[in-house]
Amino acid sequence: DAKTTQPTSMDCAEGRAANLPCNHSTISGNEYVYWYRQIHSQGPQYIIHGLKNNETNEMASLIITEDRKSSTLILPHATLRDTAVYYCIVRLWNSGNTPLVFGKGTRLSVIA
Amino acid sequence: DSGVTQTPKHLITATGQRVTLRCSPRSGDLSVYWYQQSLDQGLQFLIHYYNGEERAKGNILERFSAQQFPDLHSELNLSSLELGDSALYFCASSVVGGRLDTEAFFGQGTRLTVV
Repeated sequence: DAKTTQPTSMDCAEGRAANLPCNHSTISGNEYVYWYRQIHSQGPQYIIHGLKNNETNEMASLIITEDRKSSTLILPHATLRDTAVYYCIVRLWNSGNTPLVFGKGTRLSVIA
Repeated sequence: DSGVTQTPKHLITATGQRVTLRCSPRSGDLSVYWYQQSLDQGLQFLIHYYNGEERAKGNILERFSAQQFPDLHSELNLSSLELGDSALYFCASSVVGGRLDTEAFFGQGTRLTVV
């Protein structure tokens, strides 16, 4: 079973920041937080992951609370192409045998 | 382009038949994962292979089997197909072993329709 809780859906105006929350209150010390997205039946796409420090890459920023029980994915300037289902996943570090377990994710709609 | 290639892209077959889905991982990736996505079930993990060996099993039916070959490509075999097997099947690959686990890269999927 997925170990995360995400809102079912969110809307965001084009050009604004999209902030997608995720609760993972049972996360253990050696589990990372991963974010993936899936654009309309395409293969899921990796976005970012982190352990406890905030992370940023060319796609997004990941903010993890100090107690690690929740996180927020930030798309700084959402575009229509960011409309997708976003999945927050917790997974063991260096866990070659542990697959990604997907929940239902958040359906983000970016509106012009 | 993730670098993971799945063939065929679309497949239509009749109930009771058998099909084989193929996955070519990214160059150098040792791990291959298979997922099934149907409308009412979301993305379900099926099976994981690492360097030719089965490493983990998820919700994979006994009618389904997989293998990973020496060149690291993988095949998912689905037999005695039922209408409920209609779904998108995704393959993902990642580099595991001897280094930090990395993110998984997904192919574009095979859409299987059983009629």
